[in-house]
Amino acid sequence: EVQLVESGGGLVQPGRSLRLSCEASGFTFSNFAMHWVRQTPGKGLEWVSGISWNTDTIDYADSVKGRFTISRDNAQNSLHLQMNSLRPEDTAFYYCAKSNGIDDHYFDYWGRGTLVTVSS
Amino acid sequence: SYVLTQPPSVSVAPGKTATIACGGNDIGSKNVHWYRQKPGQAPVLVIHHDSDRPSGIPERFSGFNSGNTATLTISRVEAGDEADYYCQVWLTGSDHRGVFGGGTKLTVL
Repeated sequence: EVQLVESGGGLVQPGRSLRLSCEASGFTFSNFAMHWVRQTPGKGLEWVSGISWNTDTIDYADSVKGRFTISRDNAQNSLHLQMNSLRPEDTAFYYCAKSNGIDDHYFDYWGRGTLVTVSS
Repeated sequence: SYVLTQPPSVSVAPGKTATIACGGNDIGSKNVHWYRQKPGQAPVLVIHHDSDRPSGIPERFSGFNSGNTATLTISRVEAGDEADYYCQVWLTGSDHRGVFGGGTKLTVL
């Protein structure tokens, strides 16, 4: 059974940093691209970032480019999102999602999400 | 930037057919994927590549994509289908990124 478990969320002040993690199991993690998708409470989904299986391709939404860094550790079956210079508008549930595509990504499994709240 | 437009809400009586639209410029040239999200839960993939159903998704769920509109159709709607539905595409070329529609709240009357 595929499982994705996010951690690292919490309350953080504007301008500070936070690092999210996603532990994967139930599939060969190193074979698949992985992504982060976020959702402001009560609002829609927003794609944040994605990383290919071998880290050759990394993409970011314009809203986080230059502030967030995605990474992965295939030996540990883990995905990470380093979030710097956080803003109140970054407040959201952050979901880890497995991609089942190579050049056309869609998300066949999702974690339950971790809540990031940016507030003073 | 590429925008996907969905109606905020769709209402349907049990047993009837619900159709949720997703509009985008020449969306017919892209692969469209659909997700269902119930309150307090993570999204679940219900259709990928316009019309393919993942295992475990009932045949009542179908999709179509042509021109500037993709549609998700749910036949014989049940109370358990009430949820938010999102369309999604992946942009390629010089700007790789995912794009979601704004979501449609399906209400079963």
